[in-house]
Amino acid sequence: AQTVTQSQPEMSVQEAETVTLSCTYDTSENNYYLFWYKQPPSRQMILVIRQEAYKQQNATENRFSVNFQKAAKSFSLKISDSQLGDTAMYFCAFMKMSSGDKLTFGTGTRLAVRP
Amino acid sequence: DARVTQTPRHKVTEMGQEVTMRCQPILGHNTVFWYRQTMMQGLELLAYFRNRAPLDDSGMPKDRFSAEMPDATLATLKIQPSEPRDSAVYFCASGLPAGPEQFFGPGTRLTVL
Repeated sequence: AQTVTQSQPEMSVQEAETVTLSCTYDTSENNYYLFWYKQPPSRQMILVIRQEAYKQQNATENRFSVNFQKAAKSFSLKISDSQLGDTAMYFCAFMKMSSGDKLTFGTGTRLAVRP
Repeated sequence: DARVTQTPRHKVTEMGQEVTMRCQPILGHNTVFWYRQTMMQGLELLAYFRNRAPLDDSGMPKDRFSAEMPDATLATLKIQPSEPRDSAVYFCASGLPAGPEQFFGPGTRLTVL
């Protein structure tokens, strides 16, 4: 079974600054996906970024980027130029690389962006 | 634009009552997931379907929960009888046959008194 650990229950960052959220996971699989989801106060789950385990290059989506360390089983999310709209819960998630498999989530990190 | 819809958005009921939650996946998506979110357990998978066939319902209390897909445009999650510990947000998500992304609905917030 897979496990996902987010060791930072809460974090805070000043607007326009950079923040990094941590995630580690445990699996015996070699092929898998990793995701970061954002859940704002509206409760909607929004996909932020995805990483395929076979890719060495770290994924980037605008202000969001990841640091994927496969050997260390680490998958951190960096948010650059933080904006007030980034205030949300952030969940790290794991999925085996089979089409349409389930997500295993971490416990989440609550991020507050201060004006 | 295409999105997953869930009804109702909020439900308050009394212990012992039957609760039915509905989900309409995005057209063309062949995989449907039900997740539950609570403060204590976080986000956990209850059940999922591919091409309307149940693949995994090991996360679901079998004695009171049931999940079905009567057709490709409707998934249902039923709780009978409901208990206060079932209070949670229930999310439906759907996915494409070829891609890993799951698209979440807005959730149903269930409160069982």
